[in-house]
Order: sequence, then structure tokens, then C-alpha cells
Amino acid sequence: KAGVTQTPRYLIKTRGQQVTLSCSPISGHRSVSWYQQTPGQGLQFLFEYFSETQRNKGNFPGRFSGRQFSNSRSEMNVSTLELGDSALYLCASSLSNRANTIYFGEGSWLTVV
Amino acid sequence: AQSVAQPEDQVNVAEGNPLTVKCTYSVSGNPYLFWYVQYPNRGLQFLLKYITGDNLVKGSYGFEAEFNKSQTSFHLKKPSALVSDSALYFCAVSGANFGNEKLTFGTGTRLTIIP
Repeated sequence: KAGVTQTPRYLIKTRGQQVTLSCSPISGHRSVSWYQQTPGQGLQFLFEYFSETQRNKGNFPGRFSGRQFSNSRSEMNVSTLELGDSALYLCASSLSNRANTIYFGEGSWLTVV
Repeated sequence: AQSVAQPEDQVNVAEGNPLTVKCTYSVSGNPYLFWYVQYPNRGLQFLLKYITGDNLVKGSYGFEAEFNKSQTSFHLKKPSALVSDSALYFCAVSGANFGNEKLTFGTGTRLTIIP
């Protein structure tokens, strides 16, 4: 069974640009969540989607957005990139409820220059 | 609000010795607790979880964790450390409300196994 797949793995963007990251969950998983990992702030929750609806949202500015498609695949978008957005963005998936194990992808490394 | 504390940024253990990585938590209601490991330039890899039942949970690669409700702790342990166990370890707790899939992570503990 394939794991959580994230694309692209590495990317470099310029300040002010926007970026879209993609995530394919484990087959059958309907919950997809996103996390940002930085050396200074650690692992922070961005948002979680279930059945194409945002179910939870972290404390990030509106420049960070996401969506989930009918096949459970998810994308997150960051607009007007800032240097501080440089981070590892991790996608995770699980079956449906909090008792289920949440599995993470390898992440997308974003560098903003 | 839920929170997790990992009091040690760095733990060094000699190969073959037992290891413990500490974690305490704060959450309303019954906690769902997780341990993940991260190798350099990789994502998070699931090790084990506590949902309910036996306080001693066994996971991958010989790791286990002990849930202690009175001390609100969930320490990760392994009887005999391997050099390959060297990595960054994260403790996490999930929300107390149904449908809240948010994981709150600790700051991580870097485990170094010395040959």
C-alpha cells in the first residue's frame, strides 16, 4: 500500500510569489492535514480536511489556504510568499477519527529567497 | 488547549544501554498520545500510540511507551539502544473533541546513540 505522497519534494520561490503543494493520501484515508516544520517554531498545525470540508484550522494568516478534492487528494497554497515561509511542509492522512493513526509524507521543502 | 512538553532537547545514550525519552502532556478529556521519529531530511515516521487499555504500549523497532495518567506522562523507552536509533523524536497529543484530528507536537528530542 502506497504511503502519503507529496509533490514537489523541493522548490525555491521568490518573495511575493505563490506556491501550491500537492498531497495524495493513503488509499482509503479521508482526512488530510497539513503541518509546517521550522527550526524556530517546530511542528505547527495548518489545517485539516475531511470529505472536502475544512474541519480544523491552525493559527496561520489567510495567505495559507488549502482544499481537498473528491478523491481525497489535497493541495495547499501559500500566496505572497515571505522569507519566513521557508519550511518543510508535511502532509498527513488518516482514516477518519482521532483514534486512527496519522501517517505523514516525506514533506515538501520550500525555500523562499 | 492541549500541549506537550519534551523537557530534554538532547539525550545521549551508549549503544546497548536502555534509553528513555520523556514526554508530558496537557489535554482536556482522555488523551490520545503518539510518538513519531524523524530521520534527517525525511518526514515523520509513526512509532506507537496510546488510545486506551494497557498503559504499556509496544511499537515499531523495539520501542515502547508507558502511559501514566496521574503524572500525565508518556515516556518512550527501549531496553537496548542501537546506533540506528539516532534521530529526532516527537511526542504528540490529539484533540479531545470528536473529529478534531489536530496533533499538537512537542519540540522534539534529539537522540544520539554513542557506539
